[in-house]
Amino acid sequence: DAKTTQPPSMDCAEGRAANLPCNHSTISGNEYVYWYRQIHSQGPQYIIHGLKNNETNEMASLIITEDRKSSTLILPHATLRDTAVYYCIVRVASGTYKYIFGTGTRLKVLA
Amino acid sequence: SAVISQKPSRDICQRGTSLTIQCQVDSQVTMMFWYRQQPGQSLTLIATANQGSEATYESGFVIDKFPISRPNLTFSTLTVSNMSPEDSSIYLCSVRPVLAGGNHEQFFGPGTRLTVL
Repeated sequence: DAKTTQPPSMDCAEGRAANLPCNHSTISGNEYVYWYRQIHSQGPQYIIHGLKNNETNEMASLIITEDRKSSTLILPHATLRDTAVYYCIVRVASGTYKYIFGTGTRLKVLA
Repeated sequence: SAVISQKPSRDICQRGTSLTIQCQVDSQVTMMFWYRQQPGQSLTLIATANQGSEATYESGFVIDKFPISRPNLTFSTLTVSNMSPEDSSIYLCSVRPVLAGGNHEQFFGPGTRLTVL
């Protein structure tokens, strides 16, 4: 079973920041948090990942709480092209390396 | 990164038949995975394709229904056998690159959209 829970859907105005929450209260110390998005049934696209520190790249920022039981993906200036399903996944950095997907959040960016 | 292609991109098949989906990667990868995404649903892992040995299947998936081959480090096939309309899904290949660190991300192919009539 997936170890993450996310709200099923969110709306965001174009140009505003989109903040997507994820709960992973049973995360283990050696498990990373990964974020992917899937646009209109294409293959999922990697966004960002982290262990315990906040991370930022050209696409997004990842904020992980100090207790690591939840995280937030931030798209700083959402565009219509960011409309997608966003998946939060936890995974160990060894062993099988397999991803178990949860239900994800369907983000709709509104003009 | 890894560039992944899947063939066919889509197909419409009759029930009772089988379809083999190919996954080709432009570089060597250590691990390859097959996922299924039923209409309107999230991705479900079918199996891990192991090079040189039998695939490792997740609960609810069996080799007789979804035989997998992995003859080398850049290629794998998934066969959907004796299809029924319930097998209508998108099937996705995912890979983990060679020399990737423990926390490296995986890459996904574009998917094969299968419709069974």
